[in-house]
Amino acid sequence: DAGVIQSPRHEVTEMGQEVTLRCKPISGHDYLFWYRQTMMRGLELLIYFNNNVPIDDSGMPEDRFSAKMPNASFSTLKIQPSEPRDSAVYFCASRGVSGRSHYNEQFFGPGTRLTVL
Amino acid sequence: QKEVEQNSGPLSVPEGAIASLNCTYSDRVSQSFFWYRQYSGKSPELIMSIYSNGDKEDGRFTAQLNKASQYVSLLIRDSQPSDSATYLCAPETGNQFYFGTGTSLTVIP
Repeated sequence: DAGVIQSPRHEVTEMGQEVTLRCKPISGHDYLFWYRQTMMRGLELLIYFNNNVPIDDSGMPEDRFSAKMPNASFSTLKIQPSEPRDSAVYFCASRGVSGRSHYNEQFFGPGTRLTVL
Repeated sequence: QKEVEQNSGPLSVPEGAIASLNCTYSDRVSQSFFWYRQYSGKSPELIMSIYSNGDKEDGRFTAQLNKASQYVSLLIRDSQPSDSATYLCAPETGNQFYFGTGTSLTVIP
């Protein structure tokens, strides 16, 4: 399995622009998580999905952030409009039964490093 | 507010020594516990999971769990320079992982 795939790996944009981050979870995994990591706040859970349905979005910082999961193999995290304080590394992670993993073991993608100027 | 406390370090140990990483958590409901290793500029990588009180060994790694004390630890035996990274403790409650801020470990050759 290719693992969790994220794109783009790096994104530099200007304040006010729309940013869309993409994630493909591990095939067969039924949970998908979006995290944000900064030096100041560490790793924060933004939102997670189960079977494509958003379960808890209480970590989404404000209405500028939105996430969708239209099918089991694709999710997006959108920021509109972006602000400099959104600069961080955004990770997608998935969880489920695959290979040798225990059901509730969570695996991270490589992350998207977002810089908002 | 579910809190996970880790000593931020940096923790420095000589090559070949035992590195001991500690974590306390506030949510008594947590049943599953995970240790992730994160190299600088990389994503967290799962290295250990533990679900029952006691010790669990996997190669040079040993996880220890004491639910009564709400304490979980990770021991790394025969530490190698390649173990230099940040180690994140993550209890799970209700399908959510609550990550500590991590302990930075440096293994000195």
